[in-house]
Amino acid sequence: DIQMTQSPSSVSASVGDRVTITCRASQAINSRLAWYQQKPGEAPKLLLYDASTLQTGVPSRFSGSGSGTDFTLTITSLQPEDFATYFCQQANAFRALTFGGGTKVEIK
Amino acid sequence: QVTLKESGPVLVKPTETLTLTCTVSGFSLTNARLGVGWIRQPPGRAPEWLAHIFSNDVKSYNTSLRGRLTISKDTSKRQVVLTLTNMDPVDTATYYCVRVRGLATVMFDFWGQGALVTVSS
Repeated sequence: DIQMTQSPSSVSASVGDRVTITCRASQAINSRLAWYQQKPGEAPKLLLYDASTLQTGVPSRFSGSGSGTDFTLTITSLQPEDFATYFCQQANAFRALTFGGGTKVEIK
Repeated sequence: QVTLKESGPVLVKPTETLTLTCTVSGFSLTNARLGVGWIRQPPGRAPEWLAHIFSNDVKSYNTSLRGRLTISKDTSKRQVVLTLTNMDPVDTATYYCVRVRGLATVMFDFWGQGALVTVSS
């Protein structure tokens, strides 16, 4: 299976900060990557797919980039509702669909 | 409005078989580009994809679960059923039903509220 490694595992930030989360795949997956946000007690929510395409209704302060093995999720101007855990997901249908270990964005 | 709702037992004993049902609304199980799947998440850990099924009955499974999984659908009832045999305490998790979108690139664009299943004698 393709292993997905996220870093950092947690980050402390303030409202208004720019936050970048990295996801690395153990094998190249083109741009077949999705990002999810999960708040405590809730199901994950799809933010982006195809590495950089914003899901309908997701604010434009979220953006994604990368291809091959290295990907980033960037949140510009962090808002109070953005404090959550973020997961990347390998989205190549011909391989096992695996998630990264998560990155918790906490209030500094 | 797309909704998915999980139903099933909250407590199962070791070695028993878990059967979970997902009832969907707001989209069709006959849509060629959509499917329904299951993902679980142990407390405090990352999600783990289990299986999904498309309208043409094509199924995909997480092979790390070594043949313990079966997924099926009843289009007329708008339901998808997952069975997981030989349950163990490590299978304790919240089990989510998800809508699957895409063919070559697969993502989970709608999630149910989740069903916590505890495995204990």
